[in-house]
Amino acid sequence: GAGVSQSPSNKVTEKGKDVELRCDPISGHTALYWYRQSLGQGLEFLIYFQGNSAPDKSGLPSDRFSAERTGGSVSTLTIQRTQQEDSAVYLCASKEFGAGTQYFGPGTRLTVL
Amino acid sequence: RKEVEQDPGPFNVPEGATVAFNCTYSNSASQSFFWYRQDCRKEPKLLMSVYSSGNEDGRFTAQLNRASQYISLLIRDSKLSDSATYLCVVGLQGGKLIFGQGTELSVKP
Repeated sequence: GAGVSQSPSNKVTEKGKDVELRCDPISGHTALYWYRQSLGQGLEFLIYFQGNSAPDKSGLPSDRFSAERTGGSVSTLTIQRTQQEDSAVYLCASKEFGAGTQYFGPGTRLTVL
Repeated sequence: RKEVEQDPGPFNVPEGATVAFNCTYSNSASQSFFWYRQDCRKEPKLLMSVYSSGNEDGRFTAQLNRASQYISLLIRDSKLSDSATYLCVVGLQGGKLIFGQGTELSVKP
């Protein structure tokens, strides 16, 4: 079946602009996670959704970052007034409710000039 | 101190070698444990879950010691296709994953 998909695959933006990143989880997966991987850094957790609620948003780096999920499916991660340090690969993962494997999408590579 | 620490690598080994990766974690509330594999510029993919009883999947053996908060991965008879970055990962409540920095493995002919 279809895996996790993310769009766009690449995004180049100018400092100060807003960007929206989209994640389509695997159908039926109730849990959705956002992570980011900066150059030379490990993956870091950003936020997690169970259904449309976000029980844990502790990893969002600043109030410029926000995310929402609608209909228990698609999620968007929005970064306002982008800065150069926001450049990274943003990865989305989904899994079924309860224990289970997280399946990752291919990521969105964000470059802020 | 990072929550999940791994051998820094890179590991350069010949085909057929046995290679071991070690990892320690600091959060005693960690609930689940994994090794993920990440190929260059690709997303991470689950290699195997890790259990206290130890588990094996072909040439791969993983071990967890909860008392010492230590996780290991052993790869036997390494293949060229094993070249990748290996990520030690712990799961917290809700499924949030905490990743180590990764250890790069390069298997040479």
